[in-house]
Amino acid sequence: DIVMTQGVLPNPVPSGESASITCRSSKSLVYKDGKTYLNWFLQRPGQSPQLLTYWMSTRASGVSDRFSGSGSGTYFTLKISRVRAEDAGVYYCQQVREYPLTFGSGTKLEIK
Amino acid sequence: QVQLQQSGAELVKPGSSVKMSCKASGYTFTSYYIYWIKQRPGQGLEWIGRIGPGSGDTNYNEKFKGKATFTVDKSSSTAYMQLSSLTPEDTAVYYCARFNYDGYVMDAWGQGASVTVSS
Repeated sequence: DIVMTQGVLPNPVPSGESASITCRSSKSLVYKDGKTYLNWFLQRPGQSPQLLTYWMSTRASGVSDRFSGSGSGTYFTLKISRVRAEDAGVYYCQQVREYPLTFGSGTKLEIK
Repeated sequence: QVQLQQSGAELVKPGSSVKMSCKASGYTFTSYYIYWIKQRPGQGLEWIGRIGPGSGDTNYNEKFKGKATFTVDKSSSTAYMQLSSLTPEDTAVYYCARFNYDGYVMDAWGQGASVTVSS
């Protein structure tokens, strides 16, 4: 199985600052079509996960442009610009390159 | 709009089984796979497996083979997951999600169904 390893944030992050969440995969997530099969989700307290980005850097419909995904085949970053109170929660990366699908352990973002 | 409505919380005894539902609306049920995900209290997310409502095709994470069984009722656009031989380690919130192959994403999630296994 592909292991996804997420970094830790120096919480709390002051409102208006930027935050970068890292994720590393044990295997390249680039498929032969050239796409990188890495998704990011946000789970707010008491809610279901919400899709933020897919194919590493494509924002889902309705997601603020303050969220941007980047990376290589095995190292990924989700940057949140000008953080706001509503951005608080746990962020998960997920690989969809191969089955079984696997998630990172989550990175908690707290806002000051 | 796309919605997945899950059944309510369950309190069940060790050794028993539980069956939960996921009712889809706002799209063609048979055109998208339904994925099931487990989240233990305070923990991360685990992919349990998937079912294709149109074909009935199923795939399970090796870890959940023998534990989870997926079925669908096309007439009511509802997917089901049964969990058997329950232990306290099965205490979790279980989510269903629609999988969109355009993007390879779980683009709609149910609200989650809580299962508590306790004597």
